[in-house]
Amino acid sequence: AQKVTQAQTEISVVEKEDVTLDCVYETRDTTYYLFWYKQPPSGELVFLIRRNSFDEQNEISGRYSWNFQKSTSSFNFTITASQVVDSAVYFCALSEIIQTDSWGKLQFGAGTQVVVTP
Amino acid sequence: EAQVTQNPRYLITVTGKKLTVTCSQNMNHEYMSWYRQDPGLGLRQIYYSMNVEVTDKGDVPEGYKVSRKEKRNFPLILESPSPNQTSLYFCASSSPLSSGGVDNEQFFGPGTRLTVL
Repeated sequence: AQKVTQAQTEISVVEKEDVTLDCVYETRDTTYYLFWYKQPPSGELVFLIRRNSFDEQNEISGRYSWNFQKSTSSFNFTITASQVVDSAVYFCALSEIIQTDSWGKLQFGAGTQVVVTP
Repeated sequence: EAQVTQNPRYLITVTGKKLTVTCSQNMNHEYMSWYRQDPGLGLRQIYYSMNVEVTDKGDVPEGYKVSRKEKRNFPLILESPSPNQTSLYFCASSSPLSSGGVDNEQFFGPGTRLTVL
């Protein structure tokens, strides 16, 4: 069975500090997708990234970066120079790959609350 | 504007009264799915659909039905709602692409807060 663990329930930082969110997953599938989502206090869900299991290249997008390590089954997310607007709950998720380029069931982690204070 | 719409946004109903939460997207996406979010239980997938007439169960499908007769619509049906289906529901759509990364977006609806008395 698939499982996603986000061990950090809440992380509090002061603005401009870096923050790293851990995500560890379990799956028997050899190929899969990993995702990160953001849910700000307003409640909407925002997609951040999808990563193929066969692509271990790290990804950087502005102040966000992702470190995928298949050897440790981890897909960690770092916010560099955090800002108050980064305050949100962040979810990691895992999915099987069905057919080419499509995914099926999505399994979420419990989420990590990030609080950035000025 | 690319968007996923859900209706209603808020609904209070009573046990056993059938209801439908609509979900519509204007991006011609193949993949659509429904999630529920509950305090302490996080986000869980209810059903997903890879294309028209292709649906499958997620983690918590019991008590729900879906249909995908058109690409743009993916309604969630509660035939006989019960109090344990009180939750915040999200619909999402996406178009599977081969490259992954940050640019292949999934779009979420604004959520439907359902209370079953």
